[in-house]
Amino acid sequence: AQKVTQAQTEISVVEKEDVTLDCVYETRDTTYYLFWYKQPPSGELVFLIRRNSFDEQNEISGRYSWNFQKSTSSFNFTITASQVVDSAVYFCALHNTDKLIFGTGTRLQVFP
Amino acid sequence: EAGVTQFPSHSVIEKGQTVTLRCDPISGHDNLYWYRRVMGKEIKFLLHFVKESKQDESGMPNNRFLAERTGGTYSTLKVQPAELEDSGVYFCASSFSVIMNTEAFFGQGTRLTVV
Repeated sequence: AQKVTQAQTEISVVEKEDVTLDCVYETRDTTYYLFWYKQPPSGELVFLIRRNSFDEQNEISGRYSWNFQKSTSSFNFTITASQVVDSAVYFCALHNTDKLIFGTGTRLQVFP
Repeated sequence: EAGVTQFPSHSVIEKGQTVTLRCDPISGHDNLYWYRRVMGKEIKFLLHFVKESKQDESGMPNNRFLAERTGGTYSTLKVQPAELEDSGVYFCASSFSVIMNTEAFFGQGTRLTVV
């Protein structure tokens, strides 16, 4: 079965704190892609990153970093020095055939 | 370049009424997807069009939902008659290709409330 689990429903931090959003996935495929999307208050889903199953290198983009661990089927997302503008719902997703399988999302609230 | 646009952004209807949601994909994107998020749950796949053909409609909840994409451009999703459990946010996405390394671009969603 294909499944994505985001166990953290809601996280609250104070500005400048680091925060990690967890994502655990299940798949029988040997080749797959994982994604993170951000849903700000305006509602649209904004693409953040795509990672293929053959590339376990961690990726850093500014204050964002991603830790892909095939051994634990996890694809965690860390925001360093969080800002109020980071407040949003974050979704992790697994690509299956022709569609995305999403987790339930983690609502991040960053307080000033 | 315009992104994926959805209309309306919000809709409140009574149980038993009909509602039609519209999605305009990015120009040139043959693939169009509908997803739905019910309050607090995951975003779930509804169906996938390749041009005007339904490639995969395995996620459609029941026959009260009808999706069309005449001419392979914009798509509509009609709910008739609407039930309370249909409330949620309906997302549309489009992509140039279905291969896994292709990004899907999402619209802002239509928030449907059935009362």
